[in-house]
Amino acid sequence: EVQLLESGGGLVQPGGSLRLSCVASGFIFTNYAMSWVRQAPGKGLEWVSGITGSGGSTYYADSVRGRFTISRDNSKNTVFLQMSSLRAEDTAAYYCAKDVRFGNAGLYYFDYWGQGTLVTVSS
Amino acid sequence: EIVLTQSPGTLSLSPGERATLSCRASQSVISSYLAWYQQKPGQAPRLLIYGASSRATGIPDRLSGSGSGTDFTLTISRLEPEDFAVYYCQQYGSSPLTFGGGTKVEIK
Repeated sequence: EVQLLESGGGLVQPGGSLRLSCVASGFIFTNYAMSWVRQAPGKGLEWVSGITGSGGSTYYADSVRGRFTISRDNSKNTVFLQMSSLRAEDTAAYYCAKDVRFGNAGLYYFDYWGQGTLVTVSS
Repeated sequence: EIVLTQSPGTLSLSPGERATLSCRASQSVISSYLAWYQQKPGQAPRLLIYGASSRATGIPDRLSGSGSGTDFTLTISRLEPEDFAVYYCQQYGSSPLTFGGGTKVEIK
């Protein structure tokens, strides 16, 4: 059974930093791209960032490029999202999502999602 | 960036009725690379449809997807109680990945 467990969310002041983690199980982690998707309270879904299975390619939404960094540790089946220079508009539930795409050819769509971790940016 | 516009914003229907949800793209979606998800309150999204018309594992055949180019549709032939939720489309033919704003299907 595929499981994705996010952690690291919390309350942070504007301009601060936070690191999210997502531990995966139930599939061969290194074979699949992973993404972070966020959802502001009462709003829709927004893709944030993605990384290929090898970690060799990373992708970002314009809204976070230069402030967020995605990475993965395939030895620990974990994907990370390092967030810095946080703004109020970054407040959201952050979901870790497994891509269906096998290999390192980019990002597709998501067949499994975690339950999300809430990030609140406020003074 | 491809902008996806979903309509209507809210659909008020009764169980047993047919639901038709629209997703319109600002430019053609390559190879019909469009997916649909369902999200219920307090839950993560669930994959329903990929490639515009292929059902994901375990999705009942009362849900169907169609369309190509810039116009896509998710149809629920007969609404069951568990179908009342919010539905999102997502394109994966072009970078960056983008989602539509969602359609809420509520009980009338």
